[in-house]
Amino acid sequence: RKEVEQDPGPFNVPEGATVAFNCTYSNSASQSFFWYRQDCRKEPKLLMSVYSSGNEDGRFTAQLNRASQYISLLIRDSKLSDSATYLCVVRWMDTGRRALTFGSGTRLQVQP
Amino acid sequence: SQTIHQWPATLVQPVGSPLSLECTVEGTSNPNLYWYRQAAGRGLQLLFYSVGIGQISSEVPQNLSASRPQDRQFILSSKKLLLSDSGFYLCAWSPWGGQAYSNQPQHFGDGTRLSIL
Repeated sequence: RKEVEQDPGPFNVPEGATVAFNCTYSNSASQSFFWYRQDCRKEPKLLMSVYSSGNEDGRFTAQLNRASQYISLLIRDSKLSDSATYLCVVRWMDTGRRALTFGSGTRLQVQP
Repeated sequence: SQTIHQWPATLVQPVGSPLSLECTVEGTSNPNLYWYRQAAGRGLQLLFYSVGIGQISSEVPQNLSASRPQDRQFILSSKKLLLSDSGFYLCAWSPWGGQAYSNQPQHFGDGTRLSIL
């Protein structure tokens, strides 16, 4: 089983739609959670951190469910510019190595 | 503000040739530094990380090596490249700082696209 699992997609949605991605992680000692965005042939860029109580940044809402070991990302009012691959990222502390573990990403294609 | 520079952006090398990719960070001291590789259509794989000068931890045994000769410089090397070394190599940094750092994300350089012929 992968440490961080995501549905690879693609999710094809029309402009203005609401779309949600889920991500599950296997290590219960996970400490920090993030969503990154990666455009084609570019480096990943931080989209938002995910906090225990859930958090919102404009059209983006992130949720964390520690009991079920999953995080989610909700995008409202999708824009063409939201088309990208969304990476679920987890840091766990038990190894002490301070690195992040990345999911393989979910591809989103917003269509006009 | 902090910036991270990585070069070259693109590299085409023959099998068996050596490799040196360089990454530098500006605007911060004693960062944690990382090298990742992303194969085409795949997720990111952590190769090396460093919490200080001369301190390198390897995640995946292979024919690559890393060095940190200065606080904000991280180098990825190989003596002899293999076809399987092709990929997108990314350097990243995160702030140093004990438990307080744990919620800090990593920030990536622009990446080096390496093709082995």
